[in-house]
Amino acid sequence: EDKVVQSPLSLVVHEGDTVTLNCSYEVTNFRSLLWYKQEKKAPTFLFMLTSSGIEKKSGRLSSILDKKELFSILNITATQTGDSAVYLCAGTNSGGSNYKLTFGKGTLLTVNP
Amino acid sequence: DVKVTQSSRYLVKRTGEKVFLECVQDMDHENMFWYRQDPGLGLRLIYFSYDVKMKEKGDIPEGYSVSREKKERFSLILESASTNQTSMYLCASSWTGNQPQHFGDGTRLSIL
Repeated sequence: EDKVVQSPLSLVVHEGDTVTLNCSYEVTNFRSLLWYKQEKKAPTFLFMLTSSGIEKKSGRLSSILDKKELFSILNITATQTGDSAVYLCAGTNSGGSNYKLTFGKGTLLTVNP
Repeated sequence: DVKVTQSSRYLVKRTGEKVFLECVQDMDHENMFWYRQDPGLGLRLIYFSYDVKMKEKGDIPEGYSVSREKKERFSLILESASTNQTSMYLCASSWTGNQPQHFGDGTRLSIL
């Protein structure tokens, strides 16, 4: 059974801090790893990673994948209160059901002013 | 921008009722998905569809069925609602199997 584990489950920081969120995975025929941000409604897509060692960046957010050690990290620098959300990590496989995402339980990030 | 629209934000139904949750996407996506999200359990896949009239079971299909008669619309059906189906239901769609899924705002369903 495919499994994705995120840590920590929750995190409280002050504005301006840098945070690192972790995601480890065990996914049969692994194809890609995705990060989403969920505030009060729909998860919104952040990154999709398919290659090991190549960092993806979007503003203050960046992410990297290690396919040998089966994990990914999401970094947020100079955090703002608007970064407060649940961050979800998900793995996809390239097997018969190659459309399926397996999600972790998420990391709840709270950024205090 | 991709738009995935779920018909209701909040819904309250009674035990034993047949419940329909509707989802429409406007990007001609091939794939559509239904998840439920529960505290401590995360998002779990109920059913997905990769083409019109095609469907596959996800991780927790028991008590649910789906219908995809048109490409843009994917319906989740609770045949006989039970209290343990109280949850947040999220619909998603994607262009192909290896493209990111885009989510609707969710339907918070309460079964009394």
